[in-house]
Amino acid sequence: KAGVTQTPRYLIKTRGQQVTLSCSPISGHRSVSWYQQTPGQGLQFLFEYFSETQRNKGNFPGRFSGRQFSNSRSEMNVSTLELGDSALYLCASSLEASGIIEQFFGPGTRLTVL
Amino acid sequence: GQQVMQIPQYQHVQEGEDFTTYCNSSTTLSNIQWYKQRPGGHPVFLIQLVKSGEVKKQKRLTFQFGEAKKNSSLHITATQTTDVGTYFCAGPGVSGAGSYQLTFGKGTKLSVIP
Repeated sequence: KAGVTQTPRYLIKTRGQQVTLSCSPISGHRSVSWYQQTPGQGLQFLFEYFSETQRNKGNFPGRFSGRQFSNSRSEMNVSTLELGDSALYLCASSLEASGIIEQFFGPGTRLTVL
Repeated sequence: GQQVMQIPQYQHVQEGEDFTTYCNSSTTLSNIQWYKQRPGGHPVFLIQLVKSGEVKKQKRLTFQFGEAKKNSSLHITATQTTDVGTYFCAGPGVSGAGSYQLTFGKGTKLSVIP
């Protein structure tokens, strides 16, 4: 079974621009979560989508948004980029079964904001 | 909000020595998960603990969940160079909508000196 894929793997943008990141979950997984990873703050939860609906949202400004399509693929958008948005953005999919909600992470998108 | 703290932040050990990382939550957890992230990689699920006082073993790795379900530990016996990476614990927070998000500790970065 193919793993979680994320595109692009690397991205360089300048302040004020916007960016869209894509995530394709493991086939059959309907839950997709997004995390921001930085050296200082660690892994921080952005939001989770399930069946095209945002079920939960972390403490990030409204510049961070996302959506999920009917095939469970998800996109994350960051508008008006700031230097502090430079981070590794990880997508994770999960299959809720038997009470174990293991998150399968993708390789991430490394975003650099100049 | 829920906080998950991990100590130590860094640990350097000689190959063959033991290693332990500790995780503490500000709230009682329904379960706790552990992930490993190799340098340049993405987090990979190791295990989930659910029951109070639960102990699980995976070869040289021993995971414990505290009686009060607010703390956990990961112990590695006789470390090897393949154990290098950052170990994260993560606790779930469930919203009223039944969604599922993970709050990660900041991780313990393990270095193994051959």
